[in-house]
Amino acid sequence: EAQVTQNPRYLITVTGKKLTVTCSQNMNHEYMSWYRQDPGLGLRQIYYSMNVEVTDKGDVPEGYKVSRKEKRNFPLILESPSPNQTSLYFCASSSYRANYEQYFGPGTRLTVT
Amino acid sequence: QQQVKQSPQSLIVQKGGISIINCAYENTAFDYFPWYQQFPGKGPALLIAIRPDVSEKKEGRFTISFNKSAKQFSLHIMDSQPGDSATYFCAARNSGGSNYKLTFGKGTLLTVNP
Repeated sequence: EAQVTQNPRYLITVTGKKLTVTCSQNMNHEYMSWYRQDPGLGLRQIYYSMNVEVTDKGDVPEGYKVSRKEKRNFPLILESPSPNQTSLYFCASSSYRANYEQYFGPGTRLTVT
Repeated sequence: QQQVKQSPQSLIVQKGGISIINCAYENTAFDYFPWYQQFPGKGPALLIAIRPDVSEKKEGRFTISFNKSAKQFSLHIMDSQPGDSATYFCAARNSGGSNYKLTFGKGTLLTVNP
């Protein structure tokens, strides 16, 4: 089954404790992206990757890092989480073969206390 | 700067009725306009999409109407069903850049009463 998976699905952590949210896709997509969803704000892009070792900032990159060492994986790293990063996070992937239509993962709900 | 404005924020419709959600955009470089449907606890899923060279696209009970001159597009759900109850997001994309980022509206929570 073609899918985007994220782990963990739920995470409660404390300010300053480094964490990583993993994202993996099995569709051989070149393009991957991270969004955060906040009430009343819709979804906003954090980082994106056009292919392996090619990443760039989206609209709200502050406080986040990413890496793309393998085509299928695109982890989101919060080195020093703060309460304003409490949000619902979505990973998405797409391909030029599919007109870059984006397929979203199930989401990771992060709470930083 | 909100580049895609979506309204209404919430919508309640009776079963069998028509649900209409509207979006307006500012960036004339946008050339792809998808609608996403999101159920609680799930990620957004592509519902239907349109390009600006057509004024309407229909897939089953779902229709996008597009007005390029007004920079507006809307989603119509005919014969709305309780199973359509979800949050709907309009989005827009500029395919000419290196980032195939979707710019989303803020979402509309649709409730279809039985």
